Parts: sequence; C-alpha cells; structure tokens
Amino acid sequence: EPEVTQTPSHQVTQMGQEVILRCVPISNHLYFYWYRQILGQKVEFLVSFYNNEISEKSEIFDDQFSVERPDGSNFTLKIRSTKLEDSAMYFCASSERTGELETQYFGPGTRLLVL
Amino acid sequence: GNSVTQMEGPVTLSEEAFLTINCTYTATGYPSLFWYVQYPGEGLQLLLKATKADDKGSNKGFEATYRKETTSFHLEKGSVQVSDSAVYFCALSDLMDTGRRALTFGSGTRLQVQP
Repeated sequence: EPEVTQTPSHQVTQMGQEVILRCVPISNHLYFYWYRQILGQKVEFLVSFYNNEISEKSEIFDDQFSVERPDGSNFTLKIRSTKLEDSAMYFCASSERTGELETQYFGPGTRLLVL
Repeated sequence: GNSVTQMEGPVTLSEEAFLTINCTYTATGYPSLFWYVQYPGEGLQLLLKATKADDKGSNKGFEATYRKETTSFHLEKGSVQVSDSAVYFCALSDLMDTGRRALTFGSGTRLQVQP
C-alpha cells in the first residue's frame, strides 16, 4: 500500500540553525501538508500546498518557515533560524481529490529537537 | 473557529473490555469527521471517517457514528486487545463548507490495554 515517507526520523539542531525536513508524498496525490505536534499538545496545521504554491497557512507558519517541491517527488519544510519552541514532531500529509471527501494520509513524522 | 474536544486520558482497560472515547466538536458548517490512531513510534493512521449525519464509520472493529444533534463522534469498540494500545485522535475537516483543507485535531486520548 502506498505511504507517505519522511526523513530524517529524528533531528537535533542548535538554536539559530536552519533545518530542512523532507517528505515523499503518495505519488498520485495533489495536495501536500505540514502539521506539527509539540510534546503533550494537539496536532496543529501549518501549511497546505497545491499546484506549486501555498494554498493555505496558519498563523504559526511565519516568515521563518518555507515549503518547496523541488522535484516531482519530494516536499520539504525549511525552518530558517530554529528556536527552542520549534521543538516538536512534524508530520507531512498528502491527499488526492476524491470528490466529496478528501482524506489526508500522514507520514511517520520527524522529531525535531532544538537545543 | 472550529474545535474538537476529546476525553482526557489515559484510558486503561483490560483485554476484551468495551471501549468508548468521547469526541465532540464545534464547527460553523457541516464538517467531515475522522478518527486517527498513532501507535507507539509511528505516525498518524486514518482509522475511520464519516461525512454526514448518521453515517457510521467502521474499521478493525472500531465504530463511530456522526451525531449532528449532539455534535459528537464517539469512538467505540466492543472488545479491545492489547494491540489496540495507542493514542487516538478525533479530527474534523470543513473543506466542503469553507474550502479550507486544514484538519482540526483534538488533543488525543491514550488507550492502554492490559492483558
């Protein structure tokens, strides 16, 4: 069964450093998403991406975040200058247009720790 | 805005016990509703879904019925197994009403099943 994959599974970085989290969505899907889950808190939406541009973003997704689809398979989240509060599990998801109900399929996540 | 409220965990049950995890929602329109499950060390997996009132989603022995009159989508299973131990997330999408693709998640409920 096709699945969303993410790399790395864990990343440790120093405050102020840039990180890039990578995702390979399901191959025929058209919509891509990033969510994050700070330890002990809710899963929160960050951004959605369609047709090579951001279609929706939350207030969390400020100027230090960016997303890109550099080729036909990868979807990346870049955090330009990490802060301690960026420590979280980051989930990538993808979905296809299925008419009435669109289901998002999630990857296993990247656990980011900012020191 | 939209919100999802789940019962606090952890929920601890013996094997073969009956499970209910409560979920209620607030939304301005007519959302689609989902249950996702996160097994230890893994990502979010779609468990079941429902798109309209009185729809029953079911999978792997789990069921949830979309109750518009009580704005609820409670998860039930008649006989839990140790392998059901995981964190369960209720979520909603108001894509059809607003065009927004962001999922709104509850805080998650940890289920621990003891042999």
